[in-house]
Amino acid sequence: DAGVTQSPTHLIKTRGQQVTLRCSPKSGHDTVSWYQQALGQGPQFIFQYYEEEERQRGNFPDRFSGHQFPNYSSELNVNALLLGDSALYLCASSWTGPNEKLFFGSGTQLSVL
Amino acid sequence: QQQVKQSPQSLIVQKGGISIINCAYENTAFDYFPWYQQFPGKGPALLIAIRPDVSEKKEGRFTISFNKSAKQFSLHIMDSQPGDSATYFCAASTPGGSARQLTFGSGTQLTVLP
Repeated sequence: DAGVTQSPTHLIKTRGQQVTLRCSPKSGHDTVSWYQQALGQGPQFIFQYYEEEERQRGNFPDRFSGHQFPNYSSELNVNALLLGDSALYLCASSWTGPNEKLFFGSGTQLSVL
Repeated sequence: QQQVKQSPQSLIVQKGGISIINCAYENTAFDYFPWYQQFPGKGPALLIAIRPDVSEKKEGRFTISFNKSAKQFSLHIMDSQPGDSATYFCAASTPGGSARQLTFGSGTQLTVLP
């Protein structure tokens, strides 16, 4: 049973570019959340998708957007990249419900030059 | 605004010793307090979690102590092993939404010396 898979594992972009990160949830999970983890910091919640809709959003600008597909996989898009967007982007999946555990992927390391 | 404060930032313990990591929170609406372990190049993995209706929860060598009145909780790792060397994050969340939205602490880098 595959866990949460993310692609690519590493990515290098330049300022002003756009990037798309991808996530396949753990088998059977229907909810996907995205977190940003800056170097030496704890993950910060970006947003969460369920039934192909954004359900919750953290304190991130509109440059961060996402999508969930009918097979529950998800994409995170970041437009107009800034140097400060350099971070590890983590995807977490779970079943719907407040008592369900979150399972994290290994992340995509994004470097913005 | 950081809502979960974690200390210490780094911790060095001898093999067999006890590792203690502390967290404090401000939001009294938090109702779920997990601890995550993260190895380099990996995502966080859930270790153990507690709800505020209990003061302690133990799973193997890992114990969470919870003090609701002080708004503090801590992770104790008994008989620490070199394989426990990792970064540990406390987190907290409020109810609501289709799944938990976690607020993480800043992390503690634990090194267990052989």
